[in-house]
Amino acid sequence: TQLLEQSPQFLSIQEGENLTVYCNSSSVFSSLQWYRQEPGEGPVLLVTVVTGGEVKKLKRLTFQFGDARKDSSLHITAAQPGDTGLYLCAGARSGSARQLTFGSGTQLTVLP
Amino acid sequence: GAGVSQTPSNKVTEKGKYVELRCDPISGHTALYWYRQSLGQGPEFLIYFQGTGAADDSGLPNDRFFAVRPEGSVSTLKIQRTERGDSAVYLCASSSTAGVYNEQFFGPGTRLTVL
Repeated sequence: TQLLEQSPQFLSIQEGENLTVYCNSSSVFSSLQWYRQEPGEGPVLLVTVVTGGEVKKLKRLTFQFGDARKDSSLHITAAQPGDTGLYLCAGARSGSARQLTFGSGTQLTVLP
Repeated sequence: GAGVSQTPSNKVTEKGKYVELRCDPISGHTALYWYRQSLGQGPEFLIYFQGTGAADDSGLPNDRFFAVRPEGSVSTLKIQRTERGDSAVYLCASSSTAGVYNEQFFGPGTRLTVL
């Protein structure tokens, strides 16, 4: 059983559309990170959120950490084919700050 | 190079054989991590080194798996008596102790196939 549940598992949309990916848990995390992974490569860090309710923007990407620090969302505006990839959330818990727990990922495909 | 490197990129072996996977972290990063990623899943934590010592090996699935980092830089993940279920991509990551909130930088992984 994944400690972090991501939804949807797969998402295929047209260029220009908006989308939201969710990361949910019953556990509290001291911080939560979002990564993007392309085939044959390791995950690349996009953002770290640490405060409940925090919202961070990275160009067309908006990340939110839930008030209770148990969930997070990633919203992409006007998706582009270059956004295609596997999006992973990963949480660090107090006392195990060095051990990241990853979600199962959302595979996003943006069609031109 | 500037990033984390892993060798080999692909490894095919037969059931029961021994394999070694190597990781070169970013220069100056004292923390090093090994993860295993199965198809369609997120990475699963295996072990974390701080310097030369294994600070947390709670993710190693059984005693066939072992990792070392003798000089606090390069690390080797060793798998004895490989099984078909060991087939996965093995990822290595490193981070700076001074980094805030444990930001990890990943290598491209080694794809292990056990026939």
